[in-house]
Amino acid sequence: GENVEQHPSTLSVQEGDSAVIKCTYSDSASNYFPWYKQELGKRPQLIIDIRSNVGEKKDQRIAVTLNKTAKHFSLHITETQPEDSAVYFCAASINGEGFKTIFGAGTRLFVKA
Amino acid sequence: NAGVMQNPRHLVRRRGQEARLRCSPMKGHSHVYWYRQLPEEGLKFMVYLQKENIIDESGMPKERFSAEFPKEGPSILRIQQVVRGDSAAYFCASSQDRGRGTQYFGPGTRLTVL
Repeated sequence: GENVEQHPSTLSVQEGDSAVIKCTYSDSASNYFPWYKQELGKRPQLIIDIRSNVGEKKDQRIAVTLNKTAKHFSLHITETQPEDSAVYFCAASINGEGFKTIFGAGTRLFVKA
Repeated sequence: NAGVMQNPRHLVRRRGQEARLRCSPMKGHSHVYWYRQLPEEGLKFMVYLQKENIIDESGMPKERFSAEFPKEGPSILRIQQVVRGDSAAYFCASSQDRGRGTQYFGPGTRLTVL
């Protein structure tokens, strides 16, 4: 089955710097890759997603890139702010096959003011 | 335009009791997923259901755990004879029909077993 690995497990950046979180997946049939942000004690919330027919997607300060050949995808946050501090989860799934989504272990991002 | 609803938000049980967790998907969503999250850990898939059907329960422990999504009413995750190790946050997510697989999460139920 699918396996998703996420790095780093913890990331600390200075406010205004960029943060990059990387994930790899094992099942080449995976074609949908969402990213979720989870603040302490709250629900995971979708922040951006990418499908396998595109290589990059951007939404304001957040961008995601996908390399299908290498089976890895990354989240980029620019101009980080203290409110970006949270746990970020990547995930991979195969649409049309029951939507079973496998999550990475999470990255705890600290943005220091 | 209510999101995914879960109740109760907090549940305390003594060892050996039963826990029932409820999840109402977003309007128009017919797919429900349950995840367990231990403190400081990631989301572990438990079970995927459609109305009246369990599609994939590969992440669910074989004993004491069961899930259903009846034709009417919320999806229910049931844990019998709870043990301390069952203490966790249980999140439900829902998605639309086939072709739109984005999952939206509920607020979670935090189960504490004394």
